[in-house]
Amino acid sequence: GENVEQHPSTLSVQEGDSAVIKCTYSDSASNYFPWYKQELGKRPQLIIDIRSNVGEKKDQRIAVTLNKTAKHFSLHITETQPEDSAVYFCAARYFGNEKLTFGTGTRLTIIP
Amino acid sequence: DARVTQTPRDKVTEMGQEVTMRCQPILGHNTVFWYRQTMMQGLELLAYFRNRAPLDDSGMPKDRFSAEMPDATLATLKIQPSEPRDSAVYFCASGTGTSGWDEQFFGPGTRLTVL
Repeated sequence: GENVEQHPSTLSVQEGDSAVIKCTYSDSASNYFPWYKQELGKRPQLIIDIRSNVGEKKDQRIAVTLNKTAKHFSLHITETQPEDSAVYFCAARYFGNEKLTFGTGTRLTIIP
Repeated sequence: DARVTQTPRDKVTEMGQEVTMRCQPILGHNTVFWYRQTMMQGLELLAYFRNRAPLDDSGMPKDRFSAEMPDATLATLKIQPSEPRDSAVYFCASGTGTSGWDEQFFGPGTRLTVL
């Protein structure tokens, strides 16, 4: 089955700086990679996703890059703000399989 | 704004008691997922359904856990008997199941504490 590793487990960034979270996956058949953000005491919510037919996707201050050859993908947050503080989860699955495999999460703290 | 709902939001019980958690998926969604979240294990998939049929419950301890969908608007997760190691937040999520790129929408979770 799929295995997703996520690093780092915790990350502290000065407000205004950039944050990068990295994930690797094991199943070369995986072709859908969503990122979820979970604020303290709240539900996980999808913030961005990428399919394997593209290498990068951007949405305002967040972007995700995918390297299929190396089987890794990354979340980039630029111009970080206090409201970016949360736990971020990466996940992977292949088309047609609803079952998502999640990484272990990264706790991001933005230092004012 | 349609959302997945879960009840109860918090549950404190004693070891050995039966616990039932309920989930109402978003109307029209035909995939439902149960996850358990702990500090140590992150988000673990316990079971999931498509069109009310169980497709995968390999993540669930079957001797004490059971998951069902009595109808399209209700999914249940039962633990009997409960143990302290079951203490966690249990999330339900649903998806449309209409494409391979479906987003999973999470409910607010049930925080279970077993004493």
